[in-house]
Formats: sequence, C-alpha cells, structure tokens
Amino acid sequence: QVRLLQSGAEVKTPGASVKVSCLASGYNFSAHIIHWVRQARGQGLEYMGWINSKTGGPNYVQKFRGRVTMTRDTSTATAYMELSNLRSDDTAVYYCARLGKGGYWGQGTQVTVSS
Amino acid sequence: SYELTQPPSVSVSPGQTARITCSGAALSKEFVYWYQQRPGQTPLLVIYEDTKRPSGIPERFSGSTSGTTVTLAISGVQAEDEADYYCQSSDGAATFQGVFGGGTRLTVL
Repeated sequence: QVRLLQSGAEVKTPGASVKVSCLASGYNFSAHIIHWVRQARGQGLEYMGWINSKTGGPNYVQKFRGRVTMTRDTSTATAYMELSNLRSDDTAVYYCARLGKGGYWGQGTQVTVSS
Repeated sequence: SYELTQPPSVSVSPGQTARITCSGAALSKEFVYWYQQRPGQTPLLVIYEDTKRPSGIPERFSGSTSGTTVTLAISGVQAEDEADYYCQSSDGAATFQGVFGGGTRLTVL
C-alpha cells in the first residue's frame, strides 16, 4: 500500500533552517508529484508547493519563494522540503502528500520555531 | 492570489443533511477534492474529482458541482462526521498550483 513516512519533530531557533524528509513506498515514486502542505495549530491547511518526482522540478507558492527548497532523491524514493530563515509563525505541522485521486498524506512533522 | 471560499461553520442535527459549499473562479474547469480532518488526525480524502467517492468512504458522502461552486453533502449525518472539511483544487494556471479552502467546521448538534 502507498505510504509516506516523514521525519521526526524539530525545534529550531528563529533564523535557522529546517529540512523535512518524506520517504515514499508502495508505488512508483517517479510517477507522482509530491506536494507540501502545512497547518499551524488551530488553523487551516496551507499549500506550499510541489516537486515533480521524475524531473526534480519544483513549483513554489509565491509566499514561500526564496525561503523554501523542495528536492527529491529517486534512489531512495525520498522527497525533502527545506525552509530557511525560520520565524515564529512558521511553527506548524508540515505534511507531504500525494494529492489527487489517492489522497495520500504523510503523518506530519511538527516544526517548532522558538527562541 | 487564487482563493477557494468555504463557510467557516455548518451545524446540523443527527440524521439531517449537511451541505458545505466551496466557491472559486476556476472551479468550472478544475476538479475539486474534499478532505475530512478530525482533531489530531491527518486529512482523509472523502470525495475526489468533484463527485467520486473513494473506496471505504460511506455512501452518505456525495459531491456535486454547479458552475464555480461545488458542494459536499453528507446525508444522515452521524456524530462521527463532526470534523473540519476542506476543499482543494488547482488555480487553473498552466503550472498546477494547489489551493485549499479555509475549511468548514461541521458541528453535529
């Protein structure tokens, strides 16, 4: 079955960077785009962008351009999302997801930004 | 930037039908997906491609579309349906960018 397994919780100080991983299994990794979504506590889902798992080409939402980098490693079927220059309002649960017909989501990674 | 608009809350009594709308300029051209999210859980796909129901989702969940508005209907609402519901679609641009509605809290009275 399709599974997306994310890395563990992170605590960072303002200005630092965080890199979240998403290990895919149960399907042809290169055949599907991986999307990244975040959710602050008590708030809605916020779309961040996607990476083409085959080509490695990313597509970032305007709000995050310049701070986010999405990459992938086809040899390990892993996607990565790195967010730099962290602020307190970046504190959220970050999800990787295979959106569309399947609607598969990782379990989420809590990123806490605090001094 | 492109937005999808949902009502913040909907309340219904058990056994009634709940209807949650999602409006967006590109929805007449782009598919909509509906997600249910219970507290502390990851989102669960309940409707895909406007009207289709994934396996394992109860038949009481249905989707419909009319122009630039799509609707998630839950008939015979049960207490377990109390959750946040999000619509998700594409901005309709040449390069797909996803977007979520702001979410609707369904309360079962």
